[in-house]
Amino acid sequence: GQQVMQIPQYQHVQEGEDFTTYCNSSTTLSNIQWYKQRPGGHPVFLIQLVKSGEVKKQKRLTFQFGEAKKNSSLHITATQTTDVGTYFCAGRPLGNEKLTFGTGTRLTIIP
Amino acid sequence: GAVVSQHPSWVICKSGTSVKIECRSLDFQATTMFWYRQFPKQSLMLMATSNEGSKATYEQGVEKDKFLINHASLTLSTLTVTSAHPEDSSFYICSASGRGGLADTQYFGPGTRLTVL
Repeated sequence: GQQVMQIPQYQHVQEGEDFTTYCNSSTTLSNIQWYKQRPGGHPVFLIQLVKSGEVKKQKRLTFQFGEAKKNSSLHITATQTTDVGTYFCAGRPLGNEKLTFGTGTRLTIIP
Repeated sequence: GAVVSQHPSWVICKSGTSVKIECRSLDFQATTMFWYRQFPKQSLMLMATSNEGSKATYEQGVEKDKFLINHASLTLSTLTVTSAHPEDSSFYICSASGRGGLADTQYFGPGTRLTVL
């Protein structure tokens, strides 16, 4: 079946440093979404990417969708303590409505 | 907009009892609702997808008779864990998607933490 892996599994960064998480799918995706889950909370939708090679920005967050539509990345510039949480990518394979969540990357910030 | 609520937020029950969890879309019509299970520090595992007025579609390995899902209206879906056992203890999260601009995104409820003694 389709698998969506994320690396790294954990990341500890000093406040102010940058952070990147990578998402890789075993199959081509029609689109990819990113969610953030704060500790003890529920996933919150961040963004959806649909086009090959698409890049979208939200303030300090930059999202990319790979040319082959099988991978994606989320980059946070100058992390802040409010960025703490687990970031999940979720991909929808071509021809399949099911959204498959990645394994997640847990980000902790060292003040 | 696009708010989803869940009730209860947490529940403790004895082994062998049944527990019902409600998921409501408060300000939109949820044509599709999803039920997930999440173990501590792990990803979300999709259990089933339900469309209003039709039977839920369960993922492989999820027991239909144990996890009963009802999507009776466009704003309410329920998950009943029947004859719960300690291994059913988990965080159960529902999400909902709607029509039009709400079709591609899943809006998550706050989750229900189930502890079975």
